[in-house]
Amino acid sequence: DAGVTQSPTHLIKTRGQQVTLRCSPKSGHDTVSWYQQALGQGPQFIFQYYEEEERQRGNFPDRFSGHQFPNYSSELNVNALLLGDSALYLCASSLQGGGNQPQHFGDGTRLSIL
Amino acid sequence: AQSVTQLDSHVSVSEGTPVLLRCNYSSSYSPSLFWYVQHPNKGLQLLLKYTSAATLVKGINGFEAEFKKSETSFHLTKPSAHMSDAAEYFCVVSDLDQGGKLIFGQGTELSVKP
Repeated sequence: DAGVTQSPTHLIKTRGQQVTLRCSPKSGHDTVSWYQQALGQGPQFIFQYYEEEERQRGNFPDRFSGHQFPNYSSELNVNALLLGDSALYLCASSLQGGGNQPQHFGDGTRLSIL
Repeated sequence: AQSVTQLDSHVSVSEGTPVLLRCNYSSSYSPSLFWYVQHPNKGLQLLLKYTSAATLVKGINGFEAEFKKSETSFHLTKPSAHMSDAAEYFCVVSDLDQGGKLIFGQGTELSVKP
């Protein structure tokens, strides 16, 4: 039973560029959430997708956007990259049903901005 | 609004001695609480969850946590630390008003000395 998989594992970009990160949820899960974890910090919620729509959004600018596909996989897009976007980006999947459902995390994508 | 506060940024124990990681929560309703562990350069692994059933929750790898409403606490314990327990631990509350987005504490780094 495959868990949550994310690609790529590492990525180096320069300021102003655009990046796309990918996530495949755990088998049977239909909800995907994205989190940003800066060095030495706890993860911060970016947004959540369910039924191919953004359902909830955290305090992140519009440069951060996403998409969910019919097979429940998801992408996170970040435009006009800033140095401060350097972080570990984590994808989590769960079953739709509210906060009682535990979220299962992938190993993340480490994004470095030069 | 939901929030969690981890009272120690770093805890150091000797192998074979008990572990106590402290967490207080704030919630306007009965919360869903979780403990996650993160090993270096890895994603987050769910240790245990509390969802208003038994107040003493048993998790994986010998960890358990006790929900105390009167103290608004959800401390994580383990009777005997193992070297492999060295990691970052996060206390997490689920925001049921916002689709179950997870709100993380700042984390507690656990060191285990031989």
